[in-house]
Amino acid sequence: SAVISQKPSRDICQRGTSLTIQCQVDSQVTMMFWYRQQPGQSLTLIATANQGSEATYESGFVIDKFPISRPNLTFSTLTVSNMSPEDSSIYLCSVRQTGANVLTFGAGSRLTVL
Amino acid sequence: SQQGEEDPQALSIQEGENATMNCSYKTSINNLQWYRQNSGRGLVHLILIRSNEREKHSGRLRVTLDTSKKSSSLLITASRAADTASYFCATVPFTSGNTPLVFGKGTRLSVIA
Repeated sequence: SAVISQKPSRDICQRGTSLTIQCQVDSQVTMMFWYRQQPGQSLTLIATANQGSEATYESGFVIDKFPISRPNLTFSTLTVSNMSPEDSSIYLCSVRQTGANVLTFGAGSRLTVL
Repeated sequence: SQQGEEDPQALSIQEGENATMNCSYKTSINNLQWYRQNSGRGLVHLILIRSNEREKHSGRLRVTLDTSKKSSSLLITASRAADTASYFCATVPFTSGNTPLVFGKGTRLSVIA
């Protein structure tokens, strides 16, 4: 299965600032998924990032708050904009394994917003 | 919306004991999967069971699926301290196309040496 490198692994941010999370995959993949995991909670899908087209956002998530780039088939970024303490979460990127609806995840980016 | 609901929310057992976690879901599914997450890291896929299967084994893991009750269980036999993690079920709703997985709330398992 694919190997995903995600960075930063953790960061502490000030309210009102923005942070970009990077996700690099060691193979070409069609779709990449960005999830949020709030403290002690499950994973919620933010958006699906497709190469060459705009990301598809889930209900409750908007492009202005979580802009996503997908410049090629191995890389994507998620920006958390104008952060507030409620954005403190782990953000995870993932890809679907070839031929199966099974996900491989990056190690996650733990954001703390003060 | 959340599809899977695991219980218990937290489970603490002694090393060598068996651990059983349950997952209930609400709609028809193509398959159900279990993932493990160590200490706030990324999730690792453990096992997948299709809607037409009732039981599946992988090493010390045993998964059952009861589609009539819309429930699944994950059994870890002869647990080890290294099994300490959060375990999530995830369902693939029964629709056409590549539907995103929907994750449950997870069970935090602590295995005490």
